[in-house]
Amino acid sequence: QKEVEQNSGPLSVPEGAIASLNCTYSDRVSQSFFWYRQYSGKSPELIMSIYSNGDKEDGRFTAQLNKASQYVSLLIRDSQPSDSATYLCAVKTGNTGKLIFGQGTTLQVKP
Amino acid sequence: NAGVMQNPRHLVRRRGQEARLRCSPMKGHSHVYWYRQLPEEGLKFMVYLQKENIIDESGMPKERFSAEFPKEGPSILRIQQVVRGDSAAYFCASSPSGVGYEQYFGPGTRLTVT
Repeated sequence: QKEVEQNSGPLSVPEGAIASLNCTYSDRVSQSFFWYRQYSGKSPELIMSIYSNGDKEDGRFTAQLNKASQYVSLLIRDSQPSDSATYLCAVKTGNTGKLIFGQGTTLQVKP
Repeated sequence: NAGVMQNPRHLVRRRGQEARLRCSPMKGHSHVYWYRQLPEEGLKFMVYLQKENIIDESGMPKERFSAEFPKEGPSILRIQQVVRGDSAAYFCASSPSGVGYEQYFGPGTRLTVT
C-alpha cells in the first residue's frame, strides 16, 4: 500500500462546476496535510494546508480532513479553465519535516 | 519578499560529469528540503537540512549524491558521475521551521544527462 494515494485521473469537470479531489494516507500518526497545485513544467504551488479534523475554506477552495478515515479532500468551487493542473496531496508525519506526496490528480476544466 | 531561488534553471551534463544545484531559501527561512521528480513520477523527498546540519537524508541515494547548507551561502545538492537515470526535475523547498510549517517550493532545476 502506498503511503499517500490519489486517483491519477484525469478528472474532467465543466467550467463553473465543483471539482472534488481525494486523497488517503496510511500512517495514522500523520499530523499535517497539504494540497499543492502543479502546472505542467512548473513547480508545486501551495494552495491549502489543514491540521485538524473538519473543513477549512479559502476562497474557492475547501480542504476537508477526516483523521479517523485517514482521508483528506479538496473541493474547488466554480472551477475555471485556469484551475486545470495536477493537484498533489502531501502528508507530513512524525518529527521529520519531510513531505510524502501522492502521485497527483490531473484536473481538466472544460469551457 | 523574494521566494525560493534555484539555479541553474536548466542544466545539461554528460554522463560521468558532476552536477551542482543551488538553492537559496526564502528570507527568514532556515530550513531547506530537496525533492526529486522523475519523468511521469511523483515528487520524492531526498534530504532535509538546516544551516550546517543534515537533519534527515533518508531519501538520498547511497552513492554519488550529497547535500550541504553552509553557514553562508546557498544550499547545494551535488551529484557526482551523473547517469541518464539522474535526469529529472530537482526542487528545493524552504520553511521557517522544520515541523508543522508549510514548505514553499522554488522553480526547480531541470537536469538532463546526455
